[in-house]
Amino acid sequence: NAGVTQTPKFRVLKTGQSMTLLCAQDMNHEYMYWYRQDPGMGLRLIHYSVGEGTTAKGEVPDGYNVSRLKKQNFLLGLESAAPSQTSVYFCASSWTAMDTEAFFGQGTRLTVV
Amino acid sequence: KNQVEQSPQSLIILEGKNCTLQCNYTVSPFSNLRWYKQDTGRGPVSLTIMTFSENTKSNGRYTATLDADTKQSSLHITASQLSDSASYICVVVDNYGQNFVFGPGTRLSVLP
Repeated sequence: NAGVTQTPKFRVLKTGQSMTLLCAQDMNHEYMYWYRQDPGMGLRLIHYSVGEGTTAKGEVPDGYNVSRLKKQNFLLGLESAAPSQTSVYFCASSWTAMDTEAFFGQGTRLTVV
Repeated sequence: KNQVEQSPQSLIILEGKNCTLQCNYTVSPFSNLRWYKQDTGRGPVSLTIMTFSENTKSNGRYTATLDADTKQSSLHITASQLSDSASYICVVVDNYGQNFVFGPGTRLSVLP
Protein backbone atom coordinates (compact mmCIF):
# COMPACT_ATOMS: atom_id res chain seq x y z
CA ASN A 1 0.00 0.00 0.00
CA ALA A 2 2.56 2.59 -1.11
CA GLY A 3 0.00 5.17 -2.32
CA VAL A 4 1.87 8.01 -4.01
CA THR A 5 5.65 7.81 -4.07
CA GLN A 6 7.96 10.62 -5.15
CA THR A 7 11.59 10.26 -6.15
CA PRO A 8 13.95 11.80 -5.10
CA LYS A 9 13.09 13.32 -1.73
CA PHE A 10 15.86 15.92 -1.81
CA ARG A 11 18.00 17.39 -4.58
CA VAL A 12 20.38 20.29 -5.04
CA LEU A 13 20.91 21.54 -8.58
CA LYS A 14 23.14 24.16 -10.10
CA THR A 15 21.52 26.84 -12.24
CA GLY A 16 21.09 25.53 -15.77
CA GLN A 17 21.12 21.84 -14.88
CA SER A 18 18.24 19.59 -15.76
CA MET A 19 16.45 16.92 -13.78
CA THR A 20 13.34 14.79 -13.69
CA LEU A 21 11.09 14.17 -10.70
CA LEU A 22 9.21 10.89 -10.70
CA CYS A 23 5.78 10.32 -9.23
CA ALA A 24 4.34 6.83 -9.02
CA GLN A 25 0.90 5.79 -7.76
CA ASP A 26 -0.42 2.30 -7.22
CA MET A 27 -4.14 3.14 -6.85
CA ASN A 28 -5.03 3.04 -10.57
CA HIS A 29 -6.01 6.71 -10.42
CA GLU A 30 -6.77 8.52 -13.65
CA TYR A 31 -5.88 12.01 -12.45
CA MET A 32 -2.39 13.07 -11.43
CA TYR A 33 -1.05 16.48 -10.48
CA TRP A 34 2.21 18.30 -9.83
CA TYR A 35 2.21 21.19 -7.34
CA ARG A 36 4.84 23.45 -5.87
CA GLN A 37 4.69 24.80 -2.33
CA ASP A 38 6.49 27.99 -1.39
CA PRO A 39 6.65 29.63 2.05
CA GLY A 40 3.55 31.65 2.92
CA MET A 41 1.69 30.55 -0.18
CA GLY A 42 -0.80 27.86 -0.99
CA LEU A 43 0.12 24.97 -3.24
CA ARG A 44 0.11 26.00 -6.87
CA LEU A 45 -0.66 23.66 -9.74
CA ILE A 46 2.13 23.25 -12.28
CA HIS A 47 0.73 20.61 -14.64
CA TYR A 48 -1.84 17.86 -14.42
CA SER A 49 -2.99 14.80 -16.33
CA VAL A 50 -6.48 13.37 -16.73
CA GLY A 51 -5.27 10.02 -18.03
CA GLU A 52 -2.46 8.09 -19.66
CA GLY A 53 -0.97 10.02 -22.56
CA THR A 54 -2.59 13.34 -21.60
CA THR A 55 -1.16 16.43 -19.93
CA ALA A 56 -2.37 19.96 -19.35
CA LYS A 57 -0.98 23.21 -17.98
CA GLY A 58 -1.84 24.45 -14.54
CA GLU A 59 -1.37 27.82 -12.90
CA VAL A 60 2.45 28.01 -13.06
CA PRO A 61 3.69 25.81 -15.93
CA ASP A 62 6.60 27.91 -17.24
CA GLY A 63 9.99 26.22 -16.98
CA TYR A 64 8.48 22.75 -16.48
CA ASN A 65 7.48 19.89 -18.74
CA VAL A 66 5.60 16.70 -17.91
CA SER A 67 4.88 13.31 -19.38
CA ARG A 68 2.38 10.54 -18.58
CA LEU A 69 3.49 7.60 -20.69
CA LYS A 70 2.16 5.08 -18.19
CA LYS A 71 -0.98 5.47 -16.11
CA GLN A 72 0.85 4.95 -12.84
CA ASN A 73 3.69 7.42 -13.50
CA PHE A 74 3.76 11.19 -13.89
CA LEU A 75 7.14 12.80 -14.59
CA LEU A 76 8.02 16.44 -14.00
CA GLY A 77 11.04 17.79 -15.87
CA LEU A 78 13.12 20.91 -15.40
CA GLU A 79 15.14 21.50 -18.55
CA SER A 80 17.25 24.41 -17.27
CA ALA A 81 16.84 24.94 -13.55
CA ALA A 82 16.62 28.46 -12.13
CA PRO A 83 16.87 29.66 -8.50
CA SER A 84 13.17 30.65 -8.72
CA GLN A 85 12.37 26.94 -9.00
CA THR A 86 13.70 26.31 -5.50
CA SER A 87 10.63 24.87 -3.81
CA VAL A 88 8.98 21.79 -2.40
CA TYR A 89 7.22 19.79 -5.10
CA PHE A 90 4.22 17.58 -4.41
CA CYS A 91 2.60 15.03 -6.62
CA ALA A 92 -1.02 13.99 -6.08
CA SER A 93 -3.48 11.57 -7.64
CA SER A 94 -7.23 11.01 -7.53
CA TRP A 95 -9.98 8.89 -9.11
CA THR A 96 -11.82 11.87 -10.55
CA ALA A 97 -11.31 15.60 -10.73
CA MET A 98 -14.02 16.87 -8.48
CA ASP A 99 -15.43 14.97 -5.59
CA THR A 100 -13.02 12.24 -4.62
CA GLU A 101 -10.11 12.40 -2.25
CA ALA A 102 -6.71 13.40 -3.60
CA PHE A 103 -3.70 11.57 -2.22
CA PHE A 104 -0.37 13.35 -1.96
CA GLY A 105 3.20 12.14 -2.04
CA GLN A 106 5.70 13.10 0.62
CA GLY A 107 7.28 15.85 -1.44
CA THR A 108 10.60 16.61 -3.10
CA ARG A 109 12.66 19.45 -1.69
CA LEU A 110 14.58 21.04 -4.55
CA THR A 111 17.21 23.71 -4.12
CA VAL A 112 18.69 25.47 -7.15
CA VAL A 113 21.92 27.33 -6.44
CA LYS B 1 -9.88 36.10 -9.04
CA ASN B 2 -10.39 32.81 -7.21
CA GLN B 3 -8.84 33.05 -3.77
CA VAL B 4 -8.82 31.20 -0.46
CA GLU B 5 -7.85 33.03 2.70
CA GLN B 6 -7.18 31.44 6.07
CA SER B 7 -6.94 32.82 9.55
CA PRO B 8 -5.15 32.93 11.80
CA GLN B 9 -1.80 32.50 10.10
CA SER B 10 -0.51 30.66 13.15
CA LEU B 11 -1.93 29.54 16.46
CA ILE B 12 -0.49 28.18 19.68
CA ILE B 13 -2.70 26.31 22.14
CA LEU B 14 -2.22 24.05 25.14
CA GLU B 15 -2.86 20.33 24.92
CA GLY B 16 -6.46 19.48 25.68
CA LYS B 17 -7.87 22.83 24.55
CA ASN B 18 -10.20 23.37 21.61
CA CYS B 19 -9.55 25.67 18.67
CA THR B 20 -11.23 26.88 15.50
CA LEU B 21 -9.57 27.72 12.21
CA GLN B 22 -11.23 29.90 9.59
CA CYS B 23 -11.37 29.80 5.81
CA ASN B 24 -12.94 32.37 3.46
CA TYR B 25 -13.11 31.86 -0.28
CA THR B 26 -14.15 33.58 -3.48
CA VAL B 27 -13.98 30.51 -5.74
CA SER B 28 -16.89 30.31 -8.17
CA PRO B 29 -18.59 28.19 -9.30
CA PHE B 30 -18.18 26.04 -6.23
CA SER B 31 -17.95 22.25 -6.18
CA ASN B 32 -16.54 21.26 -2.83
CA LEU B 33 -14.35 22.40 0.05
CA ARG B 34 -11.63 20.30 1.64
CA TRP B 35 -9.53 20.52 4.74
CA TYR B 36 -6.10 18.94 4.74
CA LYS B 37 -3.59 18.35 7.53
CA GLN B 38 0.06 18.69 6.61
CA ASP B 39 2.71 17.55 9.04
CA THR B 40 6.15 19.12 8.71
CA GLY B 41 8.06 17.52 5.85
CA ARG B 42 5.08 15.49 4.67
CA GLY B 43 2.39 15.77 2.04
CA PRO B 44 -1.13 16.98 2.86
CA VAL B 45 -3.60 14.39 4.14
CA SER B 46 -7.34 14.81 3.64
CA LEU B 47 -9.50 15.42 6.73
CA THR B 48 -12.90 16.27 5.22
CA ILE B 49 -14.58 16.96 1.90
CA MET B 50 -17.85 18.95 1.89
CA THR B 51 -20.13 19.66 -1.02
CA PHE B 52 -22.51 22.59 -1.43
CA SER B 53 -25.35 20.85 0.39
CA GLU B 54 -23.35 19.84 3.47
CA ASN B 55 -23.21 22.19 6.47
CA THR B 56 -21.05 20.12 8.76
CA LYS B 57 -18.82 17.08 8.61
CA SER B 58 -16.83 15.32 11.30
CA ASN B 59 -13.74 13.15 11.29
CA GLY B 60 -12.97 12.11 14.84
CA ARG B 61 -12.00 15.21 16.81
CA TYR B 62 -12.13 17.35 13.66
CA THR B 63 -15.40 19.04 12.69
CA ALA B 64 -15.69 21.18 9.59
CA THR B 65 -18.54 23.57 8.86
CA LEU B 66 -19.51 25.22 5.61
CA ASP B 67 -21.68 28.25 4.91
CA ALA B 68 -21.93 28.40 1.14
CA ASP B 69 -23.95 31.61 1.27
CA THR B 70 -21.23 33.59 3.03
CA LYS B 71 -18.45 31.49 1.49
CA GLN B 72 -16.94 30.63 4.83
CA SER B 73 -15.75 27.42 6.42
CA SER B 74 -14.28 26.55 9.77
CA LEU B 75 -12.36 23.61 11.17
CA HIS B 76 -12.90 22.93 14.87
CA ILE B 77 -10.45 20.73 16.73
CA THR B 78 -11.66 19.29 20.02
CA ALA B 79 -9.46 18.22 22.93
CA SER B 80 -6.25 18.94 21.05
CA GLN B 81 -3.32 16.56 21.17
CA LEU B 82 0.39 17.11 20.58
CA SER B 83 0.04 15.22 17.30
CA ASP B 84 -2.36 17.90 16.05
CA SER B 85 0.62 20.21 15.59
CA ALA B 86 0.66 20.74 11.83
CA SER B 87 -0.45 23.08 9.09
CA TYR B 88 -4.13 22.96 8.19
CA ILE B 89 -4.95 23.82 4.63
CA CYS B 90 -8.32 24.81 3.22
CA VAL B 91 -8.86 23.91 -0.44
CA VAL B 92 -11.79 24.93 -2.61
CA VAL B 93 -12.54 23.08 -5.84
CA ASP B 94 -14.42 24.80 -8.63
CA ASN B 95 -17.27 23.20 -10.50
CA TYR B 96 -15.10 22.29 -13.45
CA GLY B 97 -12.96 20.05 -11.30
CA GLN B 98 -9.50 20.90 -12.49
CA ASN B 99 -9.06 24.00 -10.36
CA PHE B 100 -8.03 23.29 -6.78
CA VAL B 101 -7.45 26.61 -5.03
CA PHE B 102 -5.29 26.18 -1.95
CA GLY B 103 -5.22 28.50 1.01
CA PRO B 104 -1.87 29.37 2.59
CA GLY B 105 -2.63 27.28 5.66
CA THR B 106 -2.81 27.86 9.40
CA ARG B 107 0.16 26.65 11.39
CA LEU B 108 -1.07 25.07 14.65
CA SER B 109 1.27 24.32 17.51
CA VAL B 110 -0.03 22.30 20.46
CA LEU B 111 2.11 22.61 23.57
CA PRO B 112 2.15 20.27 26.59
